[in-house]
Amino acid sequence: TQLLEQSPQFLSIQEGENLTVYCNSSSVFSSLQWYRQEPGEGPVLLVTVVTGGEVKKLKRLTFQFGDARKDSSLHITAAQPGDTGLYLCAGIDFNKFYFGSGTKLNVKP
Amino acid sequence: NAGVTQTPKFQVLKTGQSMTLQCAQDMNHNSMYWYRQDPGMGLRLIYYSASEGTTDKGEVPNGYNVSRLNKREFSLRLESAAPSQTSVYFCASTLGAGGGQPQHFGDGTRLSIL
Repeated sequence: TQLLEQSPQFLSIQEGENLTVYCNSSSVFSSLQWYRQEPGEGPVLLVTVVTGGEVKKLKRLTFQFGDARKDSSLHITAAQPGDTGLYLCAGIDFNKFYFGSGTKLNVKP
Repeated sequence: NAGVTQTPKFQVLKTGQSMTLQCAQDMNHNSMYWYRQDPGMGLRLIYYSASEGTTDKGEVPNGYNVSRLNKREFSLRLESAAPSQTSVYFCASTLGAGGGQPQHFGDGTRLSIL
């Protein structure tokens, strides 16, 4: 089993604060994805990172893939209540996806 | 656009009953997946089908069977339900295997086994 550990598990912050979520593994993945899931719905893809050291930006969200392709981080600048949700990372090994346990983010107005 | 459709959305079973969860996608995707999501445990892969006519075990296949009926449909069967199978089940599809293709998820089936 290829284990992906996410931290923190829970995060409750005020609107306007910055935060970082981490996704770590002992396994190397060909690529890694971040998803966001809202209650009662399936996860929705935010980004895919493929190259070690890669950084991708999506508005206020910055994603980084570790040089060794074993870990990743998601940084949110000036969080907003609309960012509230469960953030999941997924490591990809050809056609298998291995999901982390998730970070539950609550952004208070 | 329907995307990935799962039925039913909710189900309550008694221990020992059997049930089939249905999943259909209309995006002409080749690969389909079944996951279960339990509190604090993210998504765990039960079975997947890389292409029509093939199925493979994931991390937690025990107690489940699958059928890739055609390119559109991938069903998950519980032959003899157990309380440990109480969970939210998600079906997903991707265009193809490898290359970090995005997964498209249904809205889930919430299954309770008493």
